[in-house]
Order: sequence, then C-alpha cells, then structure tokens
Amino acid sequence: DAGVIQSPRHEVTEMGQEVTLRCKPISGHNSLFWYRQTMMRGLELLIYFNNNVPIDDSGMPEDRFSAKMPNASFSTLKIQPSEPRDSAVYFCASSLRVGPQHFGDGTRLSIL
Amino acid sequence: TQLLEQSPQFLSIQEGENLTVYCNSSSVFSSLQWYRQEPGEGPVLLVTVVTGGEVKKLKRLTFQFGDARKDSSLHITAAQPGDTGLYLCAGTNFGNEKLTFGTGTRLTIIP
Repeated sequence: DAGVIQSPRHEVTEMGQEVTLRCKPISGHNSLFWYRQTMMRGLELLIYFNNNVPIDDSGMPEDRFSAKMPNASFSTLKIQPSEPRDSAVYFCASSLRVGPQHFGDGTRLSIL
Repeated sequence: TQLLEQSPQFLSIQEGENLTVYCNSSSVFSSLQWYRQEPGEGPVLLVTVVTGGEVKKLKRLTFQFGDARKDSSLHITAAQPGDTGLYLCAGTNFGNEKLTFGTGTRLTIIP
C-alpha cells in the first residue's frame, strides 16, 4: 500500500523565493496534517484539514504561510516569501478521523 | 498550552542494557502515543495507551500510561542497535484530532 507521499524530498532556495511543498495522503483518509520539525522547537503542528476543510490553522507561524487542500488526494503548503528561519523538515500526515496518523518522509527545506 | 517534556533528551547505552524513557506533563490527556523516527523518515506509531494505569507490551518494549493520564514511560529490555532512533510521545485530547508532541529522546544503542 502506498503511504503518504511528499514532494520534493529536498528543496534549497534563496530567501524571498516562493516555496511550494506537496502532499498526497493515503487513499481513503479524511484528515490531513502539516507539521514542521526543527532541532530547537521539535515537531509542531501547523495546520490540519478534515474532509478538505481547514479545521485548525493556529500553528501557522505567519501570513507568509498558506495551505490548501483542493481535493481529497492533494494538499500544498506554500511559503511566500521564504526566509532563512523557515529552514526545517516539513512533514505531512494523514489519518482516518481520530485514527492513528501516518507520516510521509518529509521535505527538507533549506532557505539560503 | 499543553507541554510534554521527555527525559532524557539524549541517551547512549550499550547493546543488551535496559533503559527507560519518560514523558511528563502537567496536563491530562485522553490518550498518549509513542512514535519512533529514524533519520530521513517520518515518525512511525508504536503504540497508543488510553486508560490510566494501562500497560502495553510490544516485544521488548513496555509502555505505561500514568494513573492520572499526565505521564507515560517507555521501557526497553535488552536494547539492540535496531532500537536506535528518536522516540517521541504525543498526547491527544478528548474529541480532538490534534497531537501535541513531546520534546523527544534521541536513543543510540552501541553494538
């Protein structure tokens, strides 16, 4: 069975550029989560969707971050403009409502 | 804001030894989950505990949920190099899908 698929696996870009991270959840899962992981702050929830609707975006750090889920099989997390402090590993996870979350392998983002 | 503090932050022991990792909070959680994360991969769920005082065993790993549902522990018996990784606890609240992750314990088992 295919797990959660994230792309790209690695992204290196210069500050000020727009960054788009992509996620394909496990088929049939109706909840999708975006996390950010850094050494300093650990694993933090940014936003989550249920049935494609954003439920809680209180973890989104600022207006430069936005997330969309146009359909049940695709979500994006966009940073515009990017800054060096956005460098982190970004994870997407999906689940059946209140079921265990299954994580992708992450996107390692470096903003120079 | 609910916080989950894990201790120790780093642990390096010899193969065959036993160890315990702790996850503590001042808040009550409806359930506690434990994940293991290996380099370059996402966290993988090991176990979920939901009842105060509950003990679950997964081969050489024993998980316990505190009676007051504020803390949890993970005990590994006869550690093996394959146990190496970042161990994360995560709590949930009643009726809420959000996970609050702990600070993590980075475990290294030396062959």
